[in-house]
Amino acid sequence: KAGVTQTPRYLIKTRGQQVTLSCSPISGHRSVSWYQQTPGQGLQFLFEYFSETQRNKGNFPGRFSGRQFSNSRSEMNVSTLELGDSALYLCASRLAGGYNEQFFGPGTRLTVL
Amino acid sequence: GESVGLHLPTLSVQEGDNSIINCAYSNSASDYFIWYKQESGKGPQFIIDIRSNMDKRQGQRVTVLLNKTVKHLSLQIAATQPGDSAVYFCAENTGTASKLTFGTGTRLQVTL
Repeated sequence: KAGVTQTPRYLIKTRGQQVTLSCSPISGHRSVSWYQQTPGQGLQFLFEYFSETQRNKGNFPGRFSGRQFSNSRSEMNVSTLELGDSALYLCASRLAGGYNEQFFGPGTRLTVL
Repeated sequence: GESVGLHLPTLSVQEGDNSIINCAYSNSASDYFIWYKQESGKGPQFIIDIRSNMDKRQGQRVTVLLNKTVKHLSLQIAATQPGDSAVYFCAENTGTASKLTFGTGTRLQVTL
């Protein structure tokens, strides 16, 4: 069974631009969550999508948004990029319901110059 | 590529010894705990989990202990191997939600 895939793996943008990251969950997983990982703040929850609806949201500004498609694939978007948005963005999928583990993708390394 | 913090606490262990990694969690309402391993350039990989109605759970070479009284979690790795070198994170959540709250992580270095 294929794991969680994320594209692109690496991205370089400049301040003020916007970026879209993509995540394909494990087949059959309907819940997709996004996390930001930085040396200073560690791993922080961004949001979760289930059945194309945002089900939970972390403490990030409105510049961070996401969506989920009917095939459970998800995208996250960051608008008006700031230097502090440089991070590893991780996507995780899980079976909905119950105490099910989250499976993480390899992440997208975003660098904002 | 570099994917974890530069100033993580580090545990150095000799190959073949047992490792114990500790974690203090913050939310007394948390009822599900997970240990993840993250190698450089990769996403976190599930190791073992435990629910709050248990105080110990064993896997292959790993044991997780949960002390709810002091909100403490530990991961024990038996017969540590070079392939165990990585950053280890504990994570907690409440109920069946997907939102995980991660600890700061511990870097495990296995020396030969």
